[in-house]
Amino acid sequence: GAVVSQHPSWVICKSGTSVKIECRSLDFQATTMFWYRQFPKQSLMLMATSNEGSKATYEQGVEKDKFLINHASLTLSTLTVTSAHPEDSSFYICSARDYGNRTDTQYFGPGTRLTVL
Amino acid sequence: EDKVVQSPLSLVVHEGDTVTLNCSYEVTNFRSLLWYKQEKKAPTFLFMLTSSGIEKKSGRLSSILDKKELSSILNITATQTGDSAIYLCAVEKNNDMRFGAGTRLTVKP
Repeated sequence: GAVVSQHPSWVICKSGTSVKIECRSLDFQATTMFWYRQFPKQSLMLMATSNEGSKATYEQGVEKDKFLINHASLTLSTLTVTSAHPEDSSFYICSARDYGNRTDTQYFGPGTRLTVL
Repeated sequence: EDKVVQSPLSLVVHEGDTVTLNCSYEVTNFRSLLWYKQEKKAPTFLFMLTSSGIEKKSGRLSSILDKKELSSILNITATQTGDSAIYLCAVEKNNDMRFGAGTRLTVKP
């Protein structure tokens, strides 16, 4: 099946620094990728929808200047957490939609655990 | 290589039917198995299973984990059209998660 990878798997950084997380679709082209954040009790919050070649669509309450999304190619989207603070510590998950597949299946990455000290 | 496989990929039933969705996994460092319901935006958390043989129940939904068989089932009884969604199974490992491709359930009136 289709595979989506994320890099890094986990990252620890100091408060005030920026962290970039990559999301790649390995064997299909993804015109649309999604970024989620996992909250306590396992709930997932959609942060933004990333469209190749255009600006990302952010959900209400998500600061676009803090969470920069770049979808530069059909297989890569990046999420940069700028000036990270401890409250940004979380598990970030991306997913990619395979539009070549008739079912439009959405494939999830393994997630990136961010810890901000 | 870690795998999470859901079956069936797609299912169409009528209101009132009972459905059983399957999730099997092969992962290292298993911590828990989670079920989500995805309708529009973010998947909505349904259950987290860590212990084998203990059924978790929420209304018409229930789920159970079988660690020996490396699988879990999600049951929905007396289905309603509002149950139409993609149901995702995910396995939480020590440091990351592995999602299945989902089962698309369509409940017809």
